[in-house]
Amino acid sequence: DSGVTQTPKHLITATGQRVTLRCSPRSGDLSVYWYQQSLDQGLQFLIQYYNGEERAKGNILERFSAQQFPDLHSELNLSSLELGDSALYFCASSVLTSGGWGEQFFGPGTRLTVL
Amino acid sequence: SQQGEEDPQALSIQEGENATMNCSYKTSINNLQWYRQNSGRGLVHLILIRSNEREKHSGRLRVTLDTSKKSSSLLITASRAADTASYFCATDAYDKVIFGPGTSLSVIP
Repeated sequence: DSGVTQTPKHLITATGQRVTLRCSPRSGDLSVYWYQQSLDQGLQFLIQYYNGEERAKGNILERFSAQQFPDLHSELNLSSLELGDSALYFCASSVLTSGGWGEQFFGPGTRLTVL
Repeated sequence: SQQGEEDPQALSIQEGENATMNCSYKTSINNLQWYRQNSGRGLVHLILIRSNEREKHSGRLRVTLDTSKKSSSLLITASRAADTASYFCATDAYDKVIFGPGTSLSVIP
């Protein structure tokens, strides 16, 4: 158990819909990352937050947005869903050390299926 | 090619043999990490090596880093069937962490 929790575990929805994925980081970790993993694209970095502020952006679509709340949990919002958005979505957390980003602790993921 | 790329894409070995995976990257890095993923599960951190380190060990794992060649290798010694998984390198390029496409390792009992 990494200490990172994600809900829900599975999500089945229809094209055009909007969903929210939730992540609670490990106790003490201020940084949260979101990743999308699909068979054809591999593990894609979406976005990173550090202590409530957006820190880095990866291949995140405009239809997707995220935020980190004062209690450090994070939510990833996916809207106008398309079939191609079906994937595993992982959240990870880490601490920032003087030597850069430390190891990331991954949650179990949310499997999104868009029908 | 991507910032981090593992080689080979897939590797199949017999139990007890050693497995070596390589990772190449493009830009300067702060550190490089290796992760393991069992099918459909979250990634698990294996080892972190900083840019000023050349070699690091953890149990049956040995990681090397050559910053002049922008490459790293992960060696798993005396492999076990339970080592069957995908292995990813991740480069910390100061402003973000980027994962490679991974090496799929199959260890045959």
